[in-house]
Amino acid sequence: DSGVTQTPKHLITATGQRVTLRCSPRSGDLSVYWYQQSLDQGLQFLIQYYNGEERAKGNILERFSAQQFPDLHSELNLSSLELGDSALYFCASSVGSITGELFFGEGSRLTVL
Amino acid sequence: DQQVKQNSPSLSVQEGRISILNCDYTNSMFDYFLWYKKYPAEGPTFLISISSIKDKNEDGRFTVFLNKSAKHLSLHIVPSQPGDSAVYFCAASEEGGSEKLVFGKGTKLTVNP
Repeated sequence: DSGVTQTPKHLITATGQRVTLRCSPRSGDLSVYWYQQSLDQGLQFLIQYYNGEERAKGNILERFSAQQFPDLHSELNLSSLELGDSALYFCASSVGSITGELFFGEGSRLTVL
Repeated sequence: DQQVKQNSPSLSVQEGRISILNCDYTNSMFDYFLWYKKYPAEGPTFLISISSIKDKNEDGRFTVFLNKSAKHLSLHIVPSQPGDSAVYFCAASEEGGSEKLVFGKGTKLTVNP
Protein backbone atom coordinates (compact mmCIF):
# COMPACT_ATOMS: atom_id res chain seq x y z
CA ASP A 1 0.00 0.00 0.00
CA SER A 2 1.62 3.23 -1.23
CA GLY A 3 -0.60 5.45 0.91
CA VAL A 4 -1.97 7.21 -2.18
CA THR A 5 -5.71 6.76 -2.62
CA GLN A 6 -7.50 7.17 -5.92
CA THR A 7 -11.23 7.07 -6.55
CA PRO A 8 -13.06 5.75 -8.41
CA LYS A 9 -11.13 2.64 -9.39
CA HIS A 10 -13.25 2.08 -12.47
CA LEU A 11 -15.46 4.43 -14.42
CA ILE A 12 -17.49 3.85 -17.56
CA THR A 13 -19.05 6.79 -19.32
CA ALA A 14 -20.15 8.01 -22.73
CA THR A 15 -18.53 10.35 -25.22
CA GLY A 16 -19.15 13.98 -24.53
CA GLN A 17 -19.52 13.47 -20.80
CA ARG A 18 -17.47 14.92 -17.95
CA VAL A 19 -15.83 13.02 -15.11
CA THR A 20 -13.79 13.86 -12.04
CA LEU A 21 -11.02 11.68 -10.68
CA ARG A 22 -9.92 12.16 -7.11
CA CYS A 23 -6.59 11.60 -5.43
CA SER A 24 -5.51 11.74 -1.80
CA PRO A 25 -1.71 11.87 -1.45
CA ARG A 26 0.36 10.17 1.22
CA SER A 27 0.22 11.89 4.55
CA GLY A 28 2.79 14.69 4.55
CA ASP A 29 3.33 14.74 0.79
CA LEU A 30 2.91 18.18 -0.74
CA SER A 31 3.29 17.30 -4.42
CA VAL A 32 0.67 15.55 -6.51
CA TYR A 33 1.25 14.34 -10.07
CA TRP A 34 -1.20 13.03 -12.64
CA TYR A 35 -0.17 10.54 -15.31
CA GLN A 36 -2.12 8.90 -18.12
CA GLN A 37 -1.39 5.40 -19.37
CA SER A 38 -3.11 4.49 -22.63
CA LEU A 39 -2.96 1.09 -24.26
CA ASP A 40 0.62 0.13 -25.15
CA GLN A 41 1.87 3.51 -23.99
CA GLY A 42 4.11 4.49 -21.16
CA LEU A 43 3.05 6.79 -18.41
CA GLN A 44 2.41 10.23 -19.90
CA PHE A 45 2.89 13.11 -17.50
CA LEU A 46 -0.12 15.41 -17.36
CA ILE A 47 0.37 17.89 -14.55
CA GLN A 48 1.99 18.47 -11.16
CA TYR A 49 0.80 20.49 -8.18
CA TYR A 50 2.88 21.48 -5.20
CA ASN A 51 1.15 22.72 -2.07
CA GLY A 52 -1.84 23.97 -4.03
CA GLU A 53 0.05 25.62 -6.86
CA GLU A 54 0.52 24.30 -10.37
CA ARG A 55 4.18 23.35 -10.67
CA ALA A 56 4.66 21.71 -14.04
CA LYS A 57 2.54 20.92 -17.03
CA GLY A 58 2.93 18.12 -19.51
CA ASN A 59 0.83 16.85 -22.37
CA ILE A 60 -2.47 17.76 -20.79
CA LEU A 61 -5.33 18.49 -23.17
CA GLU A 62 -7.29 21.72 -22.85
CA ARG A 63 -10.37 19.61 -22.12
CA PHE A 64 -8.63 18.39 -18.97
CA SER A 65 -8.03 20.42 -15.85
CA ALA A 66 -6.83 19.75 -12.36
CA GLN A 67 -6.50 21.39 -9.02
CA GLN A 68 -5.07 20.74 -5.59
CA PHE A 69 -7.11 21.76 -2.59
CA PRO A 70 -5.97 23.17 0.78
CA ASP A 71 -6.17 19.70 2.32
CA LEU A 72 -3.74 18.63 -0.48
CA HIS A 73 -6.10 16.24 -2.20
CA SER A 74 -6.31 16.70 -5.94
CA GLU A 75 -8.94 16.30 -8.62
CA LEU A 76 -8.50 15.74 -12.33
CA ASN A 77 -11.45 16.87 -14.42
CA LEU A 78 -11.91 15.40 -17.87
CA SER A 79 -14.59 16.96 -20.07
CA SER A 80 -16.04 16.47 -23.55
CA LEU A 81 -14.76 12.94 -23.34
CA GLU A 82 -13.65 11.12 -26.47
CA LEU A 83 -13.06 7.44 -27.10
CA GLY A 84 -9.32 8.08 -27.07
CA ASP A 85 -9.47 9.32 -23.48
CA SER A 86 -10.02 5.75 -22.33
CA ALA A 87 -6.97 5.02 -20.20
CA LEU A 88 -5.59 4.39 -16.76
CA TYR A 89 -5.09 7.61 -14.87
CA PHE A 90 -2.51 7.47 -12.10
CA CYS A 91 -1.99 9.90 -9.32
CA ALA A 92 1.35 10.01 -7.54
CA SER A 93 2.71 12.02 -4.67
CA SER A 94 6.05 13.02 -3.23
CA VAL A 95 7.23 14.96 -0.23
CA GLY A 96 8.69 17.97 -2.00
CA SER A 97 8.62 19.69 -5.32
CA ILE A 98 11.56 17.67 -6.59
CA THR A 99 10.22 14.72 -8.55
CA GLY A 100 12.60 11.94 -7.57
CA GLU A 101 10.80 8.97 -6.10
CA LEU A 102 7.08 9.06 -6.62
CA PHE A 103 4.48 7.02 -4.76
CA PHE A 104 1.66 5.94 -7.06
CA GLY A 105 -1.94 5.14 -6.39
CA GLU A 106 -3.60 2.10 -7.94
CA GLY A 107 -5.06 4.16 -10.75
CA SER A 108 -8.51 4.99 -12.07
CA ARG A 109 -9.50 3.09 -15.18
CA LEU A 110 -11.67 5.24 -17.42
CA THR A 111 -13.63 3.66 -20.25
CA VAL A 112 -15.37 5.97 -22.70
CA LEU A 113 -18.01 4.26 -24.85
CA ASP B 1 9.05 11.97 -29.82
CA GLN B 2 9.92 9.40 -27.25
CA GLN B 3 12.72 10.60 -25.03
CA VAL B 4 12.90 7.37 -23.04
CA LYS B 5 12.77 4.13 -24.99
CA GLN B 6 12.41 0.58 -23.83
CA ASN B 7 12.73 -1.34 -27.05
CA SER B 8 11.88 -4.76 -25.67
CA PRO B 9 8.18 -5.03 -24.84
CA SER B 10 8.75 -8.37 -23.13
CA LEU B 11 11.46 -10.57 -21.68
CA SER B 12 11.29 -14.13 -20.43
CA VAL B 13 13.96 -15.71 -18.20
CA GLN B 14 14.37 -18.79 -16.07
CA GLU B 15 14.29 -18.59 -12.29
CA GLY B 16 17.78 -18.15 -10.89
CA ARG B 17 19.20 -16.62 -14.06
CA ILE B 18 19.99 -12.98 -14.71
CA SER B 19 17.37 -10.59 -16.09
CA ILE B 20 18.67 -7.59 -18.03
CA LEU B 21 16.25 -4.84 -18.91
CA ASN B 22 17.45 -2.07 -21.17
CA CYS B 23 16.54 1.56 -21.59
CA ASP B 24 17.79 4.25 -23.96
CA TYR B 25 17.24 7.97 -23.76
CA THR B 26 17.70 10.84 -26.17
CA ASN B 27 17.63 13.91 -23.94
CA SER B 28 21.18 14.75 -22.87
CA MET B 29 19.78 16.96 -20.12
CA PHE B 30 18.47 13.96 -18.21
CA ASP B 31 20.56 13.44 -15.11
CA TYR B 32 18.46 11.30 -12.81
CA PHE B 33 17.10 7.89 -13.71
CA LEU B 34 14.71 5.56 -11.97
CA TRP B 35 13.21 2.12 -12.43
CA TYR B 36 9.67 1.35 -11.38
CA LYS B 37 7.99 -2.04 -11.14
CA LYS B 38 4.30 -2.54 -11.78
CA TYR B 39 2.14 -5.54 -10.95
CA PRO B 40 -1.30 -5.93 -12.55
CA ALA B 41 -4.04 -3.85 -10.92
CA GLU B 42 -1.48 -1.93 -8.88
CA GLY B 43 0.30 1.37 -9.32
CA PRO B 44 4.00 1.49 -10.20
CA THR B 45 6.37 1.20 -7.25
CA PHE B 46 9.84 2.65 -7.04
CA LEU B 47 12.62 0.11 -7.38
CA ILE B 48 15.99 1.79 -7.75
CA SER B 49 17.50 5.02 -9.02
CA ILE B 50 20.81 6.39 -10.22
CA SER B 51 22.22 9.87 -10.57
CA SER B 52 24.29 10.81 -13.60
CA ILE B 53 27.35 11.29 -11.40
CA LYS B 54 27.41 7.51 -10.90
CA ASP B 55 27.66 4.65 -13.33
CA LYS B 56 26.34 1.95 -11.04
CA ASN B 57 23.96 1.61 -8.15
CA GLU B 58 23.20 -1.60 -6.34
CA ASP B 59 20.39 -2.62 -4.02
CA GLY B 60 20.28 -6.27 -3.12
CA ARG B 61 19.48 -8.31 -6.21
CA PHE B 62 18.95 -5.18 -8.30
CA THR B 63 21.71 -3.21 -10.00
CA VAL B 64 21.31 -0.30 -12.37
CA PHE B 65 24.11 0.61 -14.78
CA LEU B 66 24.34 3.96 -16.54
CA ASN B 67 26.38 4.63 -19.67
CA LYS B 68 26.08 8.36 -20.26
CA SER B 69 28.07 8.44 -23.47
CA ALA B 70 25.74 5.85 -24.98
CA LYS B 71 22.66 7.35 -23.30
CA HIS B 72 21.84 3.88 -22.09
CA LEU B 73 20.92 2.33 -18.80
CA SER B 74 20.14 -1.19 -17.79
CA LEU B 75 18.62 -2.97 -14.83
CA HIS B 76 20.10 -6.29 -13.78
CA ILE B 77 18.20 -8.66 -11.53
CA VAL B 78 20.27 -11.49 -10.11
CA PRO B 79 19.05 -14.07 -9.33
CA SER B 80 15.64 -13.67 -10.93
CA GLN B 81 12.65 -14.94 -8.98
CA PRO B 82 9.07 -15.67 -10.11
CA GLY B 83 7.90 -12.80 -7.90
CA ASP B 84 9.90 -10.43 -10.09
CA SER B 85 7.43 -11.03 -12.93
CA ALA B 86 6.00 -7.58 -13.59
CA VAL B 87 6.20 -4.65 -15.98
CA TYR B 88 9.33 -2.56 -15.47
CA PHE B 89 9.35 1.11 -16.40
CA CYS B 90 12.44 3.19 -16.93
CA ALA B 91 12.07 6.89 -16.11
CA ALA B 92 14.27 9.94 -16.35
CA SER B 93 14.26 13.57 -15.28
CA GLU B 94 16.30 16.70 -15.76
CA GLU B 95 18.05 18.79 -13.14
CA GLY B 96 18.24 16.14 -10.46
CA GLY B 97 14.57 15.48 -10.41
CA SER B 98 13.21 19.00 -10.37
CA GLU B 99 11.49 18.36 -13.65
CA LYS B 100 8.78 15.90 -14.51
CA LEU B 101 9.58 12.23 -14.81
CA VAL B 102 9.50 10.92 -18.37
CA PHE B 103 8.64 7.24 -18.59
CA GLY B 104 9.35 4.56 -21.16
CA LYS B 105 6.62 2.21 -22.36
CA GLY B 106 7.74 -0.59 -20.08
CA THR B 107 9.10 -4.11 -20.44
CA LYS B 108 7.07 -7.06 -19.24
CA LEU B 109 9.35 -9.49 -17.44
CA THR B 110 8.27 -13.08 -16.95
CA VAL B 111 10.38 -15.28 -14.70
CA ASN B 112 9.59 -18.94 -15.24
CA PRO B 113 9.95 -21.41 -12.35
